[in-house]
Amino acid sequence: QSALTQPASMSGSPGQSITISCTGTNIDLGRYNLVTWYQQFPGKVPKVIIYEDVQRPSGVSDRFSASKSGNTASLTISGLQAEDEADYYCCTYGGSAIFWIFGGGTKLTVL
Amino acid sequence: QVQLQESGPGLVNPSQTLSLTCTVSGGSINDGAYWWTWIRQFPGKGLEWLGYIYYSGTAFYNPSLRSRLAMSIDTSNNQFSLMVRSVTAADTAMYHCARAFYKNGVVVISFEIWGQGTMVTVSS
Repeated sequence: QSALTQPASMSGSPGQSITISCTGTNIDLGRYNLVTWYQQFPGKVPKVIIYEDVQRPSGVSDRFSASKSGNTASLTISGLQAEDEADYYCCTYGGSAIFWIFGGGTKLTVL
Repeated sequence: QVQLQESGPGLVNPSQTLSLTCTVSGGSINDGAYWWTWIRQFPGKGLEWLGYIYYSGTAFYNPSLRSRLAMSIDTSNNQFSLMVRSVTAADTAMYHCARAFYKNGVVVISFEIWGQGTMVTVSS
């Protein structure tokens, strides 16, 4: 099965807002409300920052928000901070023929 | 809080079988609210879901790898395991075990707690 498509890298200045996209198909991302976004710092394990497309776990900054339209999910980070510099991965369930697939990851650089 | 710790060989010869174990502490693997998961991360950063197993022993695998994977669960020791048969260099990766939340006993939502991972290199 194909991975979800994310931009390999993005950058932004402190205080800006940035949106990372994640594109799938109508049999995976577009069919289920099960997109998860993970944040991963170097040498650390991925951490859930968004689940069920738009839900934010307790303890995650409200500067992180998400949306979905059709086969594309988006993660928006507002008020960009240096501490947001990390890799971001999307992930979704794709039914019993695929199960779980990840995006290739987006390396976010804060200038 | 719940912690997961992977263990296994760091180096495996090509064509051999890789065996990994994940020990769960701070919580019971018998908890029906979770599926116990294996995910690997390649040196180039990409993530791949391998499969998960329920406390009952029911397991689901990545369809593209199903023929080479086997998972088991040991509730008495709070451990679950992964075997990967006929490994090649393409199986070189960091292998993580993780806990997946099973919402209302209906649907897995996310991989919410991860072990630190164990690096596996396939080479002769």
